[in-house]
Amino acid sequence: QLQLQESGPGLVRPSETLTLTCTVSGGSISSNRYYWGWIRQPPGKGLEWIGSIYYNGNTYYTPSLKSRVAISVDTSKNQFSVNLNSVTAADTALYYCVRRPGTLYHYIDVWGKGTTVTVSS
Amino acid sequence: QSALTQPPSASGSPGQSVTISCTGTSSDVGNYNYVSWYQQHPGKAPKLMISEVSKRPSGVPDRFSGSKSGNTASLTVSGLQAEDEADYYCSSYAGSNNYVFGSGTKVTVL
Repeated sequence: QLQLQESGPGLVRPSETLTLTCTVSGGSISSNRYYWGWIRQPPGKGLEWIGSIYYNGNTYYTPSLKSRVAISVDTSKNQFSVNLNSVTAADTALYYCVRRPGTLYHYIDVWGKGTTVTVSS
Repeated sequence: QSALTQPPSASGSPGQSVTISCTGTSSDVGNYNYVSWYQQHPGKAPKLMISEVSKRPSGVPDRFSGSKSGNTASLTVSGLQAEDEADYYCSSYAGSNNYVFGSGTKVTVL
């Protein structure tokens, strides 16, 4: 059964870059079916789509974060990562890594447990 | 793009039905039959309950159903049970491999 596990620092200073990694187990990240993505949830608030990456490296970002975000994949480690630069307190959130089942499927079928990131000096 | 609009709360007694609305625009909900619904219990990751407006993944009780009319999608939970108490989020494809979520609805079983 496919599992996703987020990892990264729980505390990031304002104006610095947030980097999170998602380790995929129970399946290959190189499969030509799936999209791998990130979603966040600020404390007490709703979900926000961040972006995704296809197995071929194509990336797609939500317009509001496009200038600050980058998602990459490391097939040798079966991992994908998100970098968000110039962070502010508004980037404090629970970050989930997720899987979208394919080009014709527009939903999330696998979620990580999430990792909390706090932006504070 | 703005978040889809959901009522903050909904409630019903055990055995009753509750319907949650999710209103978007002609650029998302109204333009694609790619609305999904997620259930989130406190401290847990969301779980897919409905995909593509009305499709139930394997393992999701048939008490959960989805529909769409124009720019508004709906999730109905029939025969409410205590374990249905959770937050529910809708999501819609918005084009260019981009997605928008709803503001979330807290369902309370009275």
